[in-house]
Amino acid sequence: DIQMTQSPSFLSASVGDRVTINCKASQNINRYLNWYQQKLGEAPKLLIYNANSLQTGIPSRFSGSGSGTDFTLTISSLQPEDVATYFCLQHNSWPWTFGGGTKLELK
Amino acid sequence: EVQLQQSGPEVGRPGSSVKISCKASGYTFTDYVMNWVKQSPGQGLEWIGWIDPEYGSTDYAEKFKKKATLTADTSSSTAYIQLSSLTSEDTATYFCASQGGLYWGQGVMVTVSS
Repeated sequence: DIQMTQSPSFLSASVGDRVTINCKASQNINRYLNWYQQKLGEAPKLLIYNANSLQTGIPSRFSGSGSGTDFTLTISSLQPEDVATYFCLQHNSWPWTFGGGTKLELK
Repeated sequence: EVQLQQSGPEVGRPGSSVKISCKASGYTFTDYVMNWVKQSPGQGLEWIGWIDPEYGSTDYAEKFKKKATLTADTSSSTAYIQLSSLTSEDTATYFCASQGGLYWGQGVMVTVSS
């Protein structure tokens, strides 16, 4: 199985900050990496698919980069509504595997 | 618009079974496999397995092979997951997801309680 190592697990940042979250795959997953935002009690919300494609309706402050084994989600200017847990999903091969999640809080 | 509409919350007694549905709309149901994902309270996500609705073929994560059974009804574009021999460890939210994770259902909370 492909292991997805996500960092950091917790992140505290101020409104307007640039925030980066990383996922590292244990083997090459090409660009088959999605990023999600999840708020308490809600379903995951797709932000970025296939490493760098912004899902329709998602603000442009969210962006994704990377390929192969190293991937990054960037929020260019943190907004209060971005407080949530973020996680990555590799869908290059089954079993799908997920990063452990990053809990983002406001400082 | 693609939608995956899941059934409502379930409460099951230890040792019993529950069956959750996921009705797909907005795309051709048989064109994509349906995946199922488990999220335990306060925990991360685990992939349970997938079903190919066109052929009925399935694949499961090793730990769910004796726990989950995936089926699909092409006439109603609905995928199902049945969880058997429920224990407290099955208390979780279960999601269906399709098209490489582009689309997710809203999730179904399953509570195992006597």
